[in-house]
Amino acid sequence: KQEVTQIPAALSVPEGENLVLNCSFTDSAIYNLQWFRQDPGKGLTSLLLIQSSQREQTSGRLNASLDKSSGRSTLYIAASQPGDSATYLCAAPGPSGTYKYIFGTGTRLKVLA
Amino acid sequence: GAGVSQSPSNKVTEKGKDVELRCDPISGHTALYWYRQSLGQGLEFLIYFQGNSAPDKSGLPSDRFSAERTGGSVSTLTIQRTQQEDSAVYLCASSGSTGAPVKLFFGSGTQLSVL
Repeated sequence: KQEVTQIPAALSVPEGENLVLNCSFTDSAIYNLQWFRQDPGKGLTSLLLIQSSQREQTSGRLNASLDKSSGRSTLYIAASQPGDSATYLCAAPGPSGTYKYIFGTGTRLKVLA
Repeated sequence: GAGVSQSPSNKVTEKGKDVELRCDPISGHTALYWYRQSLGQGLEFLIYFQGNSAPDKSGLPSDRFSAERTGGSVSTLTIQRTQQEDSAVYLCASSGSTGAPVKLFFGSGTQLSVL
C-alpha cells in the first residue's frame, strides 16, 4: 500500500530564502511522482512531474528530485517570494496503476515580505 | 473548455438531503477523477473514469455515493442522504491519457457543508 508523507507540515520563511520541501513514499515501484501547488480556495496546479528514469526536473526557480531507492523526493524553491505562499503537495501513483495518485497532506508555506 | 470546471463552488445542505456535484473536464480529456479533501487531510481518491466507464470505484466511501459520466465528458457525483462527515471539498481532475506519465488538471472544487 502506498503511503505518502510530507515534512514539514508548515513552514514560514523570510523572502529570498532558498528552501526544501520533503516528500517520502513507501512503495518505491513508481514510475513518476508529481508536485502540486494549492492556493486557498482553489484547486491544485501541477508544478513538476518527474519520471522514474529522471533524477531531477526543473521549472524556473523550482527543482524537484527523485530518489526511488530511498523513497524520497524533494522540492527545492530558490529565492522564495511572497507569491510562493501556498500549500505544496506531492503525489505518487498507488499500486493500481497510473491513474490512482496517493497524495501527501502537504506543506503549508508562508513567505514573509 | 479552458480548464476543468466544477459547480456549484459552494453547497450547503441539511443532513439527510441528496446533493449532486458537477464536473466539466477539459475538452478531449478521456480520463476523469474525483477526489475528496477533508479539513487537515490529504486528498482521498474516490473514483476514476476512462471514457464513460468507471474501472475503479474502490474509493467511494459508502453506497450513498455514486458517480456517472455521460458522453465521455460531464461527470456528476451524487451523495444520497448526506451526513455531516460528508462535509469536505470535492475535487475533480481530468487527464488527456492514462499512459504514464499522467498530468492531472484540477478544478477549483466544490465546498460541501452538511448541517
